[in-house]
Amino acid sequence: GNSVTQMEGPVTLSEEAFLTINCTYTATGYPSLFWYVQYPGEGLQLLLKATKADDKGSNKGFEATYRKETTSFHLEKGSVQVSDSAVYFCALSENAGGTSYGKLTFGQGTILTVHP
Amino acid sequence: GAGVSQSPSNKVTEKGKDVELRCDPISGHTALYWYRQSLGQGLEFLIYFQGNSAPDKSGLPSDRFSAERTGGSVSTLTIQRTQQEDSAVYLCASSLRLRGSYNEQFFGPGTRLTVL
Repeated sequence: GNSVTQMEGPVTLSEEAFLTINCTYTATGYPSLFWYVQYPGEGLQLLLKATKADDKGSNKGFEATYRKETTSFHLEKGSVQVSDSAVYFCALSENAGGTSYGKLTFGQGTILTVHP
Repeated sequence: GAGVSQSPSNKVTEKGKDVELRCDPISGHTALYWYRQSLGQGLEFLIYFQGNSAPDKSGLPSDRFSAERTGGSVSTLTIQRTQQEDSAVYLCASSLRLRGSYNEQFFGPGTRLTVL
């Protein structure tokens, strides 16, 4: 079956530090990959996505590149802010034709805390 | 416009009682998903409705769990004879579903269920 593995947290950084949250996956075929974010007291929101190999998703200064050869989709940001403190989830969805098409498989989540 | 709404936001119940959780998807979204977020299991898929097709129930953890979607819109997740391990945040999401493509899933705020 499909699975997503994220680096374990929590991650604590100072403002303006570089962020990497590792994510690797196991899936049949070529899934779409996503990062979702859950800010304190809020619902899950899509942060960025990539639907095929070598695609780079980006949003709000965050980036992640779909690496088929290493089955990875690591999240990076060059300079984090206090407002980036949240829980980050890596996820995948099989593309059309897959038996699990549409539904998301999530990683465990990584808690990020950014201090001033 | 209105997002996905869920009710109640919090539910406390006694072990053995039945509960109903409601989800109102975004108007016009044909796909509706239920997920569960718990400390021990992370975020897990429960059930998926797409238009008039038979739902994908592959994620339901036991036959105590059921869901229906009336008129292709509102959905109700029912848990019968609740157990303490059912305590979790139940998330609903909806998306457009265009053939052959992925569409972003928009999540509701969730219902926090506590079984005493």
